[in-house]
Formats: sequence, C-alpha cells, structure tokens
Amino acid sequence: GAGVSQSPSNKVTEKGKDVELRCDPISGHTALYWYRQSLGQGLEFLIYFQGNSAPDKSGLPSDRFSAERTGGSVSTLTIQRTQQEDSAVYLCASSLSTTRDEQYFGPGTRLTVT
Amino acid sequence: SQQGEEDPQALSIQEGENATMNCSYKTSINNLQWYRQNSGRGLVHLILIRSNEREKHSGRLRVTLDTSKKSSSLLITASRAADTASYFCATSGRSQGNLIFGKGTKLSVKP
Repeated sequence: GAGVSQSPSNKVTEKGKDVELRCDPISGHTALYWYRQSLGQGLEFLIYFQGNSAPDKSGLPSDRFSAERTGGSVSTLTIQRTQQEDSAVYLCASSLSTTRDEQYFGPGTRLTVT
Repeated sequence: SQQGEEDPQALSIQEGENATMNCSYKTSINNLQWYRQNSGRGLVHLILIRSNEREKHSGRLRVTLDTSKKSSSLLITASRAADTASYFCATSGRSQGNLIFGKGTKLSVKP
C-alpha cells in the first residue's frame, strides 16, 4: 500500500506566523511519530502517538509546538508564532504498533521561517 | 539528545568495495535500526536488529550487534554509486516509543 505521506512538501512562512504540517500514516499503523532534522541538531524526536493512549510529548521544544491525531489516523503538527530556529525538515513516521516495530518515514516537510 | 554515535562521520570508497559503518550507543535498547537518507529528505528503513540478536543479513547488508559493547556495525558489500547517501543508526529503548538517532555517516561511492 501507500507509504507515509506529508504535506506540504515545502513551507515558507514569516516569523511570528502559525503553521500546520500534516501527516498521513500507513493504513493500519497505530503508532505515529514526529521528528525534526536541522543542521545543528541532527534528528530529534518531537512527539509520539500510540493508539488511544495519551501522546508522549517529551520531545516538544516549547509550548509553541503541539500536535493532534484525529481518529487514530491523520496527524497535524502545529507551530505557533514561528521563530527562525524552527526552520528544519519535519519528518513523520509510523509503525505497526509498539517499540518493537520498524518505523517508516514520510518524505518530510521543509519549513523555512524568514 | 543523541544516543548513537556513528563512525566514521564520512566515508569515501570506490564502487565494488565494501563499506563499514559503526554505531555506539549509551543505554539499554529494545532494538537498533539502520536508515538511509538521500538528499536530506525522507529516511528509508534498511534493517532492524533486536537486542537478543547478534547478526542479521538483508541482501548486500550485514548488521551486527554487540550489546556488551553497546555497538553495532553496518556492512554494505560490493558497493554501488547508488549507495551514496547518509546512513543513520537509531535505537529504541525498552520503555520509549521514539527512536534516538545518531549523527550519521555520509557515504560516497565513486564510480
């Protein structure tokens, strides 16, 4: 079937604006993850959803970042009042269920804050 | 925070040669995964090795895991120019859902 999809593929926004990034996981995958990749920080974990459990938000860098997952499928990552340091590639991944499974990544959204 | 550290940071070889990349990590793991990334975009899953496994093969890839040394290696045999990419190891802990990535090895295979 289809892999993980993300939209938009590129987003340029002005500092201070809010942005929403979307992720469609692989059908049937109950676990969904958000990561970001920037030059200075490498690949960082942001947030993790597993089924109906409360999400693990331990990686979110500030309260400007939030994410939701509706109906156990599509997820939206929202960044409020964007800052230049938020510029990065935001990657979404999904896995079948638990920590024991492979994670499959989408192509990413490249966010540029000007 | 980074868990894994890949070594070397960059590797340049000729087509047909073997490429070996190493990864070290700090805490107990559930499994270790290797990923490839082209052009700074999506990561492609290559292979997963569980903490109770010592070696795994997939095509031209061979992964080893030494939990006593907290290290893993990825061997790509008979490399091709198309193998040029960045390679990352990532660990999954016993109580965490997310992966913790190393900084990656940039592999360049010259034709």
